Amino acid sequence: GAVVSQHPSWVICKSGTSVKIECRSLDFQATTMFWYRQFPKQSLMLMATSNEGSKATYEQGVEKDKFLINHASLTLSTLTVTSAHPEDSSFYICSVAPPGGGGGLSYNEQFFGPGTRLTVL
Amino acid sequence: AQKITQTQPGMFVQEKEAVTLDCTYDTSDPSYGLFWYKQPSSGEMIFLIYQGSYDQQNATEGRYSLNFQKARKSANLVISASQLGDSAMYFCAMREGIKAAGNKLTFGGGTRVLVKP
Repeated sequence: GAVVSQHPSWVICKSGTSVKIECRSLDFQATTMFWYRQFPKQSLMLMATSNEGSKATYEQGVEKDKFLINHASLTLSTLTVTSAHPEDSSFYICSVAPPGGGGGLSYNEQFFGPGTRLTVL
Repeated sequence: AQKITQTQPGMFVQEKEAVTLDCTYDTSDPSYGLFWYKQPSSGEMIFLIYQGSYDQQNATEGRYSLNFQKARKSANLVISASQLGDSAMYFCAMREGIKAAGNKLTFGGGTRVLVKP
């Protein structure tokens, strides 16, 4: 499968600070990337769909001013958690959708990054 | 709106035995894809198997098979000959559209599987 990297893999920050998480598609250019959040012992919840060159589409209930998404290039999307608070502590995972229907893949799976564990003190 | 339900929060299975993980879904779109992912304690999401809504046969991938019952809107995962390394969280997911990787995935609540030696 395709390789997707996330940086950092974990981060601890103080309440009130901002944290930037990077998601990189290493094997192909991606016009669409997704950001998920996963609280302990819960499922993945889609936060937003990141589209290269345009504004991200946020899911209902996700504050776009708090979770800033920038998809500045076809291989990089960033998620910035602004003014982080302890309740923002979570596992953040990005996924990448291959372009043009997935090329040789018959099912066009999304490829997930390894995740970033954020702890806000 | 699409919805995925996994009714088993957790289950034990004896090593070398088979286990079935339940998944039901709801969608009004006739074109959709169903996925199963494994998430070990490391957190990575590992793709296991895919079933398209128009696929005539149940999908199989090694020890994984998907019992697709379209009329019942169920897509149960069967893991045969369980191994200790199969202990993990398992998520069922659905995406509306076929060959539409740019469409979002909706995940079920997950089932935690613990394989006993």
